[in-house]
Amino acid sequence: KNQVEQSPQSLIILEGKNCTLQCNYTVSPFSNLRWYKQDTGRGPVSLTIMTFSENTKSNGRYTATLDADTKQSSLHITASQLSDSASYICVVREASGAGSYQLTFGKGTKLSVIP
Amino acid sequence: EAGVAQSPRYKIIEKRQSVAFWCNPISGHATLYWYQQILGQGPKLLIQFQNNGVVDDSQLPKDRFSAERLKGVDSTLKIQPAKLEDSAVYLCASSLNGGKNTGELFFGEGSRLTVL
Repeated sequence: KNQVEQSPQSLIILEGKNCTLQCNYTVSPFSNLRWYKQDTGRGPVSLTIMTFSENTKSNGRYTATLDADTKQSSLHITASQLSDSASYICVVREASGAGSYQLTFGKGTKLSVIP
Repeated sequence: EAGVAQSPRYKIIEKRQSVAFWCNPISGHATLYWYQQILGQGPKLLIQFQNNGVVDDSQLPKDRFSAERLKGVDSTLKIQPAKLEDSAVYLCASSLNGGKNTGELFFGEGSRLTVL
């Protein structure tokens, strides 16, 4: 059964500090992995996508990594800001034929950035 | 470009009552999804439409939940009768043709249901 596990479940950090969120998956065959940011009371928004051939990708202060061999991804946030307070959800897409695919969602990591 | 529109944003009902949620996807997006997100958890797929046909409804509690997407655009999700455990946020999402893109979903802001 495809699974996506995220850790930690929640995290509190001081403004300006860095943090790293983890995502482990068992989805196979693998197509891609996305990190979504979900602000309180809003729908998730895609931050970045990682494909099989990509190891690292940056989007401003967000840097995602992927190790397809160990089936692990991380999201590193640098110099955190209060606006980074949100839930971060890891979503893995399974590659399948006939043009269809399945998405497996993690439960998310709730990040709180405090002044 | 307009995003995914959902209504109502909030709904409070008593158990055994019925409720309906509406979703208008991004123009041109063939695939539409309804997700249930219980507090503290990730979204769980309820149903996926490709145009106006159902692709996956394996996790939809069909004894009480129903969904339709007439004319391949707007969609409604209905719960009848509601149970306490249905309290959740119902997220609608859309994407380009399901099999020809990277799988990015564009979500609406959700409809928060409280069942008393």
